[in-house]
Amino acid sequence: SAVISQKPSRDICQRGTSLTIQCQVDSQVTMMFWYRQQPGQSLTLIATANQGSEATYESGFVIDKFPISRPNLTFSTLTVSNMSPEDSSIYLCSVEGTPNTGELFFGEGSRLTVL
Amino acid sequence: DAKTTQPPSMDCAEGRAANLPCNHSTISGNEYVYWYRQIHSQGPQYIIHGLKNNETNEMASLIITEDRKSSTLILPHATLRDTAVYYCIVRVVGMMDKIIFGKGTRLHILP
Repeated sequence: SAVISQKPSRDICQRGTSLTIQCQVDSQVTMMFWYRQQPGQSLTLIATANQGSEATYESGFVIDKFPISRPNLTFSTLTVSNMSPEDSSIYLCSVEGTPNTGELFFGEGSRLTVL
Repeated sequence: DAKTTQPPSMDCAEGRAANLPCNHSTISGNEYVYWYRQIHSQGPQYIIHGLKNNETNEMASLIITEDRKSSTLILPHATLRDTAVYYCIVRVVGMMDKIIFGKGTRLHILP
């Protein structure tokens, strides 16, 4: 298993500002995934972050809006830039536990409200 | 897009078996079926996965049809704590591949 800690757990931000969400894992993992969950909706994959390379973004998500860092095998950050109320969501970090099992572990999420 | 289809919601009486269906008619031979659930305000939790044989663990059983085009997650004795959104996902194991969530089934356990 993997234990994932996300910070902040929640925040209220002003329009036009940026917020960085941190994801810390208690073990080394190759891939980390960032998801967004808008109110009442399912999870949408934002990007996949590999250590030592650029993150791979899904359709509809761009690096300028959601820059991601992956400095080592246990840590990643997601920044939500130039926020608008439409960015109000829960942002979740996820990793695969035992390699090649397909079993994902998730953090508790960061609930972001943009005013 | 998600490769699975699930009913949007289901009800089940407490203590009864909850049977959650999933259609994955376009599943490939090397794709596994995974189930996750998300209890309100928490991150999703892995439940079980399988390829073609039925699987059982301490949480649930997974029944996959012989043609693999559909499956059923069974919670044998549902409790109120099983109220959650349940997601059925197909994915190739062993590949560095993303996991795409569909809309899931909102399961209500009734007292």
